[in-house]
Amino acid sequence: GENVEQHPSTLSVQEGDSAVIKCTYSDSASNYFPWYKQELGKRPQLIIDIRSNVGEKKDQRIAVTLNKTAKHFSLHITETQPEDSAVYFCAASTGNQFYFGTGTSLTVIP
Amino acid sequence: NAGVTQTPKFRILKIGQSMTLQCAQDMNHNYMYWYRQDPGMGLKLIYYSVGAGITDKGEVPNGYNVSRSTTEDFPLRLELAAPSQTSVYFCASMGTGGPGELFFGEGSRLTVL
Repeated sequence: GENVEQHPSTLSVQEGDSAVIKCTYSDSASNYFPWYKQELGKRPQLIIDIRSNVGEKKDQRIAVTLNKTAKHFSLHITETQPEDSAVYFCAASTGNQFYFGTGTSLTVIP
Repeated sequence: NAGVTQTPKFRILKIGQSMTLQCAQDMNHNYMYWYRQDPGMGLKLIYYSVGAGITDKGEVPNGYNVSRSTTEDFPLRLELAAPSQTSVYFCASMGTGGPGELFFGEGSRLTVL
């Protein structure tokens, strides 16, 4: 089955700086790569996603890049704010099933 | 729409007891999933369903059972609870048309003592 690895497991940045989280996947058939944000005690919620026919997608301060050849994709958050503090999960899907990374705990220091 | 609703939110079980976690969605989604979340381990798929009457195992199905008699409901049954099943359980659903957004319930925190 698919194996998704996520790094780093923890990340601290100063408010206003950028944060980058990286994931790799193993199954070349994976074609959908979402990112979820989970605040403490809350449910995961989709923040951005990218499909395999696209190399980059941006939504305000959040962007995702995908390198199919290298089988890795990354989440970029610019101008970080304290409310960006949360756990972020990447995932890969070939269709019906989703395989999640182990999560990155992001702390934005005011 | 309420989205995905899970009950109970919290439960403590003794070793060997059984229980059912309930999950219901009102979005007419065909795909439904059960995940467990352990600290530092991400979300692991237990079982999933692509429609009423169809279920399949995920990555960690041992010790669990599911059924899908209607489009709306996808209960997860724990038989003979063990401490290793202490976790937070999330139910999720997805619409048709290829992989897309998973809508999660609020989670059920289960402790087995």
